[in-house]
Amino acid sequence: GNSVTQMEGPVTLSEEAFLTINCTYTATGYPSLFWYVQYPGEGLQLLLKATKADDKGSNKGFEATYRKETTSFHLEKGSVQVSDSAVYFCARGSERGSTLGRLYFGRGTQLTVWP
Amino acid sequence: NAGVMQNPRHLVRRRGQEARLRCSPMKGHSHVYWYRQLPEEGLKFMVYLQKENIIDESGMPKERFSAEFPKEGPSILRIQQVVRGDSAAYFCASSGTSSGNTIYFGEGSWLTVV
Repeated sequence: GNSVTQMEGPVTLSEEAFLTINCTYTATGYPSLFWYVQYPGEGLQLLLKATKADDKGSNKGFEATYRKETTSFHLEKGSVQVSDSAVYFCARGSERGSTLGRLYFGRGTQLTVWP
Repeated sequence: NAGVMQNPRHLVRRRGQEARLRCSPMKGHSHVYWYRQLPEEGLKFMVYLQKENIIDESGMPKERFSAEFPKEGPSILRIQQVVRGDSAAYFCASSGTSSGNTIYFGEGSWLTVV
């Protein structure tokens, strides 16, 4: 299969809470993995990526580690802010491990952070 | 900031009309992708193009939809005889060696069919 499964939302948290959004993938190879974020009315912005097993992508306090054993790429942040409210998409690239080619997206997880 | 540029941002068409969406890739990028996002859903791949070539069109509907990326000018996604179900956000993305092959997205074109 060529699927990406991510935690269903919506996720609602208070400011400074810990965030985890689970993401698992199916692939016969070792694809590159990505997290994209979409703010209301806007396009997708690349949040972070990892191109090989055990790589950790990080940006703006968010982190995700490429776990080959569990085929997972869970997104975490230690202390969320109201401005983190958005939809988060997990995605994987082609099975050749290249970042070229189409992306396969999860359905997205809506995160709302309250002050 | 010469990112991926899409226009128009918003487009309203009556049923049966044609919609034409344009995408200029990031400078130095030669790979273009089109995705569709239906309300409350994730992104669905439509087509992957390089200059003058369609690489993968496995996500394109068989009828009414076409895409091109000419040698000169932007990539065009064309939807003929639009129907209400075509209402969606259409995102263009591009990649190339100039950005380490990472795929970057435009801000999207929101099509509303009335």
